[in-house]
Amino acid sequence: AQSVTQLGSHVSVSEGALVLLRCNYSSSVPPYLFWYVQYPNQGLQLLLKYTSAATLVKGINGFEAEFKKSETSFHLTKPSAHMSDAAEYFCAVSTLTGGGNKLTFGTGTQLKVEL
Amino acid sequence: GAVVSQHPSRVICKSGTSVKIECRSLDFQATTMFWYRQFPKKSLMLMATSNEGSKATYEQGVEKDKFLINHASLTLSTLTVTSAHPEDSSFYICSANEPRSYNEQFFGPGTRLTVL
Repeated sequence: AQSVTQLGSHVSVSEGALVLLRCNYSSSVPPYLFWYVQYPNQGLQLLLKYTSAATLVKGINGFEAEFKKSETSFHLTKPSAHMSDAAEYFCAVSTLTGGGNKLTFGTGTQLKVEL
Repeated sequence: GAVVSQHPSRVICKSGTSVKIECRSLDFQATTMFWYRQFPKKSLMLMATSNEGSKATYEQGVEKDKFLINHASLTLSTLTVTSAHPEDSSFYICSANEPRSYNEQFFGPGTRLTVL
């Protein structure tokens, strides 16, 4: 079975500081990994995804994540936080089913950006 | 990019009534759609997997008679909350698999259900 652990339900950074959101996964097969962002009362927007190509994945809005198999990690980073980055972030791992990919989500990390 | 819509975005109903939520893939065909439920400040909980032309596969603990799912076409899946009660109040989100994009899931904007 697949699982995802997000360390830190709340992360607070200053504007302009480095953002680091942690994600560790458990998977019995090579995983597909995703980071999503959710703003209040909205659906999820894909930030980036790892699909067994390059281990360093660049996404939208300046975010990137590195797949580290030895550490079973897929941490999300951004060099310089912006106020608009304040949101809920979810890491997810997928499992191929007969009809498509089934996602298992982490518990989420609320990012707060302070002036 | 692939777009998924949901309707309605917000619904308030009385206890005992049924509510239907639609999920549409606007610019692609989705053989598989997923329905999630999200409680306040919580993660998404997968309720069921909906495959076009066949019965939905429900996750453990989800009442199939309570949450009726129909996937009648490659672009439309519906979730009907039957005999809704206040504890069914939640944020419901659907997603659809885009086969051409590593089977990536694209999410709808969600539906806020409030049962009085």
